[in-house]
Parts: sequence; C-alpha cells; structure tokens
Amino acid sequence: QQQVKQSPQSLIVQKGGISIINCAYENTAFDYFPWYQQFPGKGPALLIAIRPDVSEKKEGRFTISFNKSAKQFSLHIMDSQPGDSATYFCAASASGYSTLTFGKGTMLLVSP
Amino acid sequence: GAGVSQSPSNKVTEKGKDVELRCDPISGHTALYWYRQSLGQGLEFLIYFQGNSAPDKSGLPSDRFSAERTGGSVSTLTIQRTQQEDSAVYLCASSASPGRYEQYFGPGTRLTVT
Repeated sequence: QQQVKQSPQSLIVQKGGISIINCAYENTAFDYFPWYQQFPGKGPALLIAIRPDVSEKKEGRFTISFNKSAKQFSLHIMDSQPGDSATYFCAASASGYSTLTFGKGTMLLVSP
Repeated sequence: GAGVSQSPSNKVTEKGKDVELRCDPISGHTALYWYRQSLGQGLEFLIYFQGNSAPDKSGLPSDRFSAERTGGSVSTLTIQRTQQEDSAVYLCASSASPGRYEQYFGPGTRLTVT
C-alpha cells in the first residue's frame, strides 16, 4: 500500500507556540520523507526532508522527527509565526520509484 | 534561476471540450512530473517523464488524459472531452534527475469545467 496518512487536517496555534503535524506510512520501502509548504495560489515548496538513517533533522525553526519502527514522522514548527500559516504536506518516496506519495495536507493557522 | 512555469494559470472550459496545459521545467532538469490537486485532497500523481519518455503513466485517471514531452523540456498535459470531475489544480514538478528526490513545483493551472 502506498498511502501516507497525515493528521490533523487543520491546526490553530498561537504565535510563538509549537505546531506539530504527524504522518504515518505503510510501505517500508520508503526512504525519503519531505515536507512541503503551500500558500494559497502557489505550488508546494520543499521545506525540509529526511532519510531514515537519522531520527531527527533541524533547519531553523523546522524539525522533522522520524520513528522508523513506528513508521511515523512529524514536522515541528517552533516559535510559530503568522507567516507560517499555510498548508503543509508530508510525502514519501522509495528508492527507484519515481514519484512522491503525498498526505492529504494540514491547514495551519497561526493566530497573532 | 527561473523556476518551473505553467500556463495558463487559470482555465475555464465547457464540459466536453479539450484542454491543453503546459509546463516548462527548470532548465536542465531531466525528470518531470504531473500531479492533480483537488479541493481538500492531497496531490495525486498523474505521470512521470524521464527525458521525452514516460516510464510511469499509472496515475492517469482515464484514457481522456494524455501527456507528451518534447526536446526533453516542455511538457503538455491534454484532457479530452473534459468532465466536471476534472476540475482541479494541475501541478507540474521537475527534478534534476530521477535519482534526485527533490521535486520543485510550478504554480499550477486551475482548471474549471462548467
């Protein structure tokens, strides 16, 4: 099964808080896990990505945590800002497989 | 440098008409992908090109959908006899090579079938 399940569908966080979005996958062949950020009217933009040889990757305020045994990964946005308000998609891909399988997205609203 | 561009940005068409959507990938990117994004849904894979060939067209929803790529660059997605359920945002992405996982997306074409 190629599914990637993402939760929650929507999230409201106060400015300065931590936003957490979770994804779970089934295909153990997946070996690349990116997160994309999409603003209204724009295409998705690659935010951060991780491979399963590490359990965490941090870039600025964005951190991916990866749990290989649980087949789960999550995005943490520290010190969330109103400018972070967007839709976030997790995705996964397998070596030798050409495409990304996306979760259904999480609409994040950071209140001022 | 220039990113992925798509045209038109918006397209309104009547049911039953054919439409063509265009994608210009990042210069030098050999892999090109088409996805469809429906309201409240994630991104649904349609077709993948490596150069001018399409080794994976498994996501095309019906034989009304076709795509081609010429000169290893521009790609056109054609939808024949459009239906209302075809209304969606069609996104194109490119990557430097199929072994490079990073995909870069264009702004999309919003298709509305009336």
